[in-house]
Amino acid sequence: GAGVSQSPRYKVAKRGQDVALRCDPISGHVSLFWYQQALGQGPEFLTYFQNEAQLDKSGLPSDRFFAERPEGSVSTLKIQRTQQEDSAVYLCASSQNRAGGTEAFFGQGTRLTVV
Amino acid sequence: SQELEQSPQSLIVQEGKNLTINCTSSKTLYGLYWYKQKYGEGLIFLMMLQKGGEEKSHEKITAKLDEKKQQSSLHITASQPSHAGIYLCGADPPNQAGTALIFGKGTTLSVSS
Repeated sequence: GAGVSQSPRYKVAKRGQDVALRCDPISGHVSLFWYQQALGQGPEFLTYFQNEAQLDKSGLPSDRFFAERPEGSVSTLKIQRTQQEDSAVYLCASSQNRAGGTEAFFGQGTRLTVV
Repeated sequence: SQELEQSPQSLIVQEGKNLTINCTSSKTLYGLYWYKQKYGEGLIFLMMLQKGGEEKSHEKITAKLDEKKQQSSLHITASQPSHAGIYLCGADPPNQAGTALIFGKGTTLSVSS
């Protein structure tokens, strides 16, 4: 596609519910990143894939968070047993190759509200 | 760990006025990126700076990286309502170019007509 696509754009979940957030990166982009952005804050790193390999998951806040990219293209971020503190905008970004400082292209994000 | 501090936190300017947003790093910057974000939306890439003293311009926006590579500024000339949004600076972590960016908290710009 023309850009990074995320779905759904908005998600309201009841506390304790599981959610799955989808990211379709730009075709051919090797690197894929997930960020969490709380209200009034900058994006904070969650996890990073290079093709299908998850190279860094140090930013995942707890074991309730899980991400996958099984075929090196579409990625899913899953949050189990959602809590109110999980409410945030979840941003996905992809880049051809981050080495050397190539810019990352961001999707519009999924706004998750846990009630 | 590296931290990016942006100032001011928010800014209201009259249309046609110039403005500057600053981004200061606690460590030497190896790659500095400026993004713009509309509320509730994704980030739009503006510019990338890597060399000390580097300056880049696009339309009415100019970004600079100081010689010591610890501070960057974003200057908008003759602001317009379309410039309104949240401006974020991001940086490559030290010695880890190619991984996820570290971001500042953003500067919210409002332009009154």
